[in-house]
Amino acid sequence: EIVLTQSPGTLSLSPGERATLSCRASQSVSNSYLAWYQQKLGQAPRLLIYAASSRATGIPDRFSGSGSGTDFTLTISRLEPEDFAVYYCHQYGSSPRTFGPGTKVDIK
Amino acid sequence: EVQLVESGGGLVQPGVSLRLSCAASGFTFSSYWMTWVRQAPGKGLEWVANINQDENEKYYVDSVKGRFTISRDNAKKSLYLQMNSLRAEDTAVYYCATSRGYYEYWGQGTLVSVSS
Repeated sequence: EIVLTQSPGTLSLSPGERATLSCRASQSVSNSYLAWYQQKLGQAPRLLIYAASSRATGIPDRFSGSGSGTDFTLTISRLEPEDFAVYYCHQYGSSPRTFGPGTKVDIK
Repeated sequence: EVQLVESGGGLVQPGVSLRLSCAASGFTFSSYWMTWVRQAPGKGLEWVANINQDENEKYYVDSVKGRFTISRDNAKKSLYLQMNSLRAEDTAVYYCATSRGYYEYWGQGTLVSVSS
């Protein structure tokens, strides 16, 4: 089973700042099958990025993903008020599918 | 507009059974793999099970193997999760989602609470 570790656990930033979230896998993620989701309190997760760097439909271009192998990054170039949420990475390259524990981005 | 609406959750005692449903609309249901993902209160996301378009491939996380069964009815555009021998650790919000490996569309979730 691939274990995903996300850092930091919490990121405290101000609107307009840049957010850099890390996801590290315990072994290489096949074909860079790594996705990122955003979840706000009381809501279902929303797909942001798939295949490490492809933005999902309707996702603003301030969200970008990068990485390969075992190290992946989600970058939010300039935080908007609606971006404060929890972010999860997810590998779907091998079974069982696994998620990281999440990074909470909160307002400083 | 894609919609996934889960139902069937509730408060049950340990050991009993529950069947969750997920009604799909706004897309060609029969063309998609589908999945169930759960989230325990205050915790992260956990993949539970997925199923291919014609039901001949089904996969489960180890903790539910032998207790949960995923199924679908393409004519009714519905996904199901039969949960038997429920345990306290199954308490979670259960989401259905479309699957292309990644999970593009999600329902709003249904809460399953297992407690005596």
